[in-house]
Amino acid sequence: QSALTQPPSASGSPGQSVTISCTGTSSDVGGYNYVSWYQQHPGKAPKLMIYEVTNRPSGVPDRFSGSKSGNTASLTVSGLQAEDEADYYCSSYAGSKIWVFGGGTKLTVL
Amino acid sequence: EVHLVESGGGLVQPGGSLRLSCAASGFTFSSSWMHWVRQAPGKGLVWVSHINSDGISTNYADSVKGRFTISRDNAKNTLYLQMNSLRAEDTAVYYCARDWTYGFGYWGQGTLVTVSS
Repeated sequence: QSALTQPPSASGSPGQSVTISCTGTSSDVGGYNYVSWYQQHPGKAPKLMIYEVTNRPSGVPDRFSGSKSGNTASLTVSGLQAEDEADYYCSSYAGSKIWVFGGGTKLTVL
Repeated sequence: EVHLVESGGGLVQPGGSLRLSCAASGFTFSSSWMHWVRQAPGKGLVWVSHINSDGISTNYADSVKGRFTISRDNAKNTLYLQMNSLRAEDTAVYYCARDWTYGFGYWGQGTLVTVSS
């Protein structure tokens, strides 16, 4: 049950795009299309932004998109806005009803 | 609207016990898988436990296996987490979450558990 690997920080200017990576193994990210992404603002509960690698829940702007290649998943935020500044976490199903999270990435909008 | 409200957190001494509750509304609780996820102060999210819809199947992170027990009462639309033999490293905000296709679709506001003497 090792944590997925995310960069601790990422940044971009308003209007730009930024991509956050999430690296696991063939036992989690690479083995299942059950990668999801969460946004968490300070003092708030996390919010689901992407599920099943690429799907956006109702109400999540289409500026947020997800993808996966091999053991690495990615979250791309296009057209950065000030309100996108937050912590972002990936998670993956790891089989046998076990789940694992990434360490989190702090996104700064410059 | 989905609503999850955790309660039961507080200050407990090392080795002590605590039971968390999560009251659910706005969806068919009895048909939903549920999870507990925790977040230590200033740290990241960590999955703790899962329970299937009828409560028969339960799963735990290695760090809490044998000490924590997840359960549910579908008649009361309530999820529980019994935490025994608590350690300082269990100090965290504990969130309940509704499963959403093997992700965590809806979250409560969390309840803080502090393990300290």
